[in-house]
Amino acid sequence: AQTVTQSQPEMSVQEAETVTLSCTYDTSESNYYLFWYKQPPSRQMILVIRQEAYKQQNATENRFSVNFQKAAKSFSLKISDSQLGDTAMYFCAFLKTSGSRLTFGEGTQLTVNP
Amino acid sequence: GAGVSQSPSNKVTEKGKDVELRCDPISGHTALYWYRQRLGQGLEFLIYFQGNSAPDKSGLPSDRFSAERTGESVSTLTIQRTQQEDSAVYLCASSLGGIDYEQYFGPGTRLTVT
Repeated sequence: AQTVTQSQPEMSVQEAETVTLSCTYDTSESNYYLFWYKQPPSRQMILVIRQEAYKQQNATENRFSVNFQKAAKSFSLKISDSQLGDTAMYFCAFLKTSGSRLTFGEGTQLTVNP
Repeated sequence: GAGVSQSPSNKVTEKGKDVELRCDPISGHTALYWYRQRLGQGLEFLIYFQGNSAPDKSGLPSDRFSAERTGESVSTLTIQRTQQEDSAVYLCASSLGGIDYEQYFGPGTRLTVT
């Protein structure tokens, strides 16, 4: 079974600064997918970024990028130029294959301060 | 196009009553998932439907929980004889399946058992 661990229950950052959220996972699979989801108070889960394990290049989406270390089973999210709208709960998630369940971490509550 | 919709948005019920939660997936999505999110926690997998295949019910916490899906359309999650520990947000997600593995989430139903 897969497990996902987010060791930072809460984090805060000043507007316009950079913050990194940590995630580690445990799996015996060699091919899989990793995700960061954002959940604002509206409860809507929003996909922020995804990474295929077979790709060595780290994924980037505008201000969001990941540091994927496959050997270390680490998948951190970096948010650059933080904005007030980034305030939300962030979940790291693992997907073994297409069509299987997502396994989520416990989440990190990020607060961006003005 | 329309996203995943869920109803009701909020449900308050008395302990011991049965409840039904509804999910309308994105049209054409063959895969449908139910997750449960307890307060301040990550999402737990409940059940997965893929086309006409037998559903993966391995995440259902007890026999009080059941779900149905008609073809590739609406799904209902039923909780019988509700208990206070059933209080949570119930999230539904759908995906196209195959090589398109991204899961799209609905806004969830907040269930409160008094």
